[in-house]
Amino acid sequence: QKEVEQDPGPLSVPEGAIVSLNCTYSNSAFQYFMWYRQYSRKGPELLMYTYSSGNKEDGRFTAQVDKSSKYISLFIRDSQPSDSATYLCAMGIAGGTSYGKLTFGQGTILTVHP
Amino acid sequence: DSGVTQTPKHLITATGQRVTLRCSPRSGDLSVYWYQQSLDQGLQFLIQYYNGEERAKGNILERFSAQQFPDLHSELNLSSLELGDSALYFCASSPGGTDTQYFGPGTRLTVL
Repeated sequence: QKEVEQDPGPLSVPEGAIVSLNCTYSNSAFQYFMWYRQYSRKGPELLMYTYSSGNKEDGRFTAQVDKSSKYISLFIRDSQPSDSATYLCAMGIAGGTSYGKLTFGQGTILTVHP
Repeated sequence: DSGVTQTPKHLITATGQRVTLRCSPRSGDLSVYWYQQSLDQGLQFLIQYYNGEERAKGNILERFSAQQFPDLHSELNLSSLELGDSALYFCASSPGGTDTQYFGPGTRLTVL
């Protein structure tokens, strides 16, 4: 079983829809959580960073972390065709031998069609 | 543009060869990370350096090695290349050890 599970999709939605992307994890030692967006043949681009359970909002994006359920989500409101990309969740541990290492989900391919 | 630069963008080589990938972190960032991305394995952490010292290691093969130089740029050396080493190799950097990581554009390695 992988430490981080993410549904690869693909997910196809109409423009303006609310998109929900999710990851589950098994390692309770994960302390911080990130969402990256990756366009085809480009490097991952950081979207959101959270360190605690709860919600964090930035523009059209909301990141949600539930440490008790080992579940994180990214919501995209008013989705746009330019949001079409692969979304990767990532998690890290702030100490020990895994210091600095990010563990990524497989990524969810999202297409927003006009 | 994240501010992280990687060279070369593309690399095509043959099995058994050795290549060097180069990364320059964002100005002021002390940590450099290397990741490998393939279709079947996804994005996998290889190794981290912090201010010249190795800080964390992932499932990096013995044929692979890395170092970070005094000017903080880093190189990833891949030797005795195999077909399965074909992948995208990303470098990322961060100010400290566990801050948010900013990724470069990647080097696409093709081993024939």
